[in-house]
Amino acid sequence: DAGITQSPRHKVTETGTPVTLRCHQTENHRYMYWYRQDPGHGLRLIHYSYGVKDTDKGEVSDGYSVSRSKTEDFLLTLESATSSQTSVYFCATGTSGSAYEQYFGPGTRLTVT
Amino acid sequence: DAKTTQPNSMESNEEEPVHLPCNHSTISGTDYIHWYRQLPSQGPEYVIHGLTSNVNNRMASLAIAEDRKSSTLILHRATLRDAAVYYCILRTYTGNQFYFGTGTSLTVIP
Repeated sequence: DAGITQSPRHKVTETGTPVTLRCHQTENHRYMYWYRQDPGHGLRLIHYSYGVKDTDKGEVSDGYSVSRSKTEDFLLTLESATSSQTSVYFCATGTSGSAYEQYFGPGTRLTVT
Repeated sequence: DAKTTQPNSMESNEEEPVHLPCNHSTISGTDYIHWYRQLPSQGPEYVIHGLTSNVNNRMASLAIAEDRKSSTLILHRATLRDAAVYYCILRTYTGNQFYFGTGTSLTVIP
């Protein structure tokens, strides 16, 4: 399994506060992803990165920003958290080429009160 | 990316085979078929993937229809640990994203 860690694993915050979630990988994978998972919706892509300093939006990117200054770290920031951003957040890394696969972290449960 | 259609839920008895169907009628010739599963309170994990031919690995088998418009994930002998949500995902040959639907929730009955 790819070495993917997420921090924090659980967080409770208040509406309007900034929040940063961290994803760290030890596999040197090129691609990294942030998903959110809500009941009845499966996993939805927020943002992804295809290299250091190279990022792009996913299907639910509003209210989120990302940064990737090193291959191993991908940060997800909620500039001003809202209750609608209460969710479980998963980070994933991806290989490339015909053997492409994604590997997922353990998830971060975020509650915005 | 082309979409997939899966049943919302299925049940299986322990130690019996399970066939999880997936329809992907708009698949293109270069789309790969990937299957992932998500155990309770965990991130998704890779199960199997294929392009045209049937595939086997230690976890499961993937049977792909001749016209590629459908596929079936086969768990040869279901165990309680196989209770999970199973996702069928299409990916273009050069693609680097997955689009997850809501998957099939598999319940294994002891």
